[in-house]
Amino acid sequence: NAGVTQTPKFRVLKTGQSMTLLCAQDMNHEYMYWYRQDPGMGLRLIHYSVGEGTTAKGEVPDGYNVSRLKKQNFLLGLESAAPSQTSVYFCASSLDWQETQYFGPGTRLLVL
Amino acid sequence: DQQVKQNSPSLSVQEGRISILNCDYTNSMFDYFLWYKKYPAEGPTFLISISSIKDKNEDGRFTVFLNKSAKHLSLHIVPSQPGDSAVYFCAASANDYKLSFGAGTTVTVRA
Repeated sequence: NAGVTQTPKFRVLKTGQSMTLLCAQDMNHEYMYWYRQDPGMGLRLIHYSVGEGTTAKGEVPDGYNVSRLKKQNFLLGLESAAPSQTSVYFCASSLDWQETQYFGPGTRLLVL
Repeated sequence: DQQVKQNSPSLSVQEGRISILNCDYTNSMFDYFLWYKKYPAEGPTFLISISSIKDKNEDGRFTVFLNKSAKHLSLHIVPSQPGDSAVYFCAASANDYKLSFGAGTTVTVRA
């Protein structure tokens, strides 16, 4: 039981490049979330999903897109990376909205 | 505007003593509060939670206190152990799945 896994662990991008961060969970959770963590700030919700095929905007969605084609996977896309998107990205999942969120180990992204 | 604030970025405590972490919030609609613990290069892990209908919740060495009138909660760790050295995040939700996090407090337990 791996829990929540994230790929890749670390990535360096040039401004304007695109990439996709993959989150996978093997707990059969309905809810999945993408957060970013920046120095001096708490985790901020980018996008979330309440089930397969659904997505919704969180607190800081601009510059990101997401897809939940399969229940176990939640993809976060950056179409045209900007230095302001340099951050640590965490994926999380929960069984239900009232349940504890389980986090992945994070992806460090550096945009030059 | 951050709705959950942890005003102490760091805390140093001697092993065996009590660690007290504080958290303030501004949104009166918050009704569920959580503490997460995070080690370097790992994701946050759930530690303890409290509902707004309670003022205290205890789990082993960890106790969370909620003061709704002051919009304040605290986490007490007694006794503190070296493995407790980590970043602690306070989080809150308003009867939905969206969590608002504080900026975190780094706890260092000295031997």
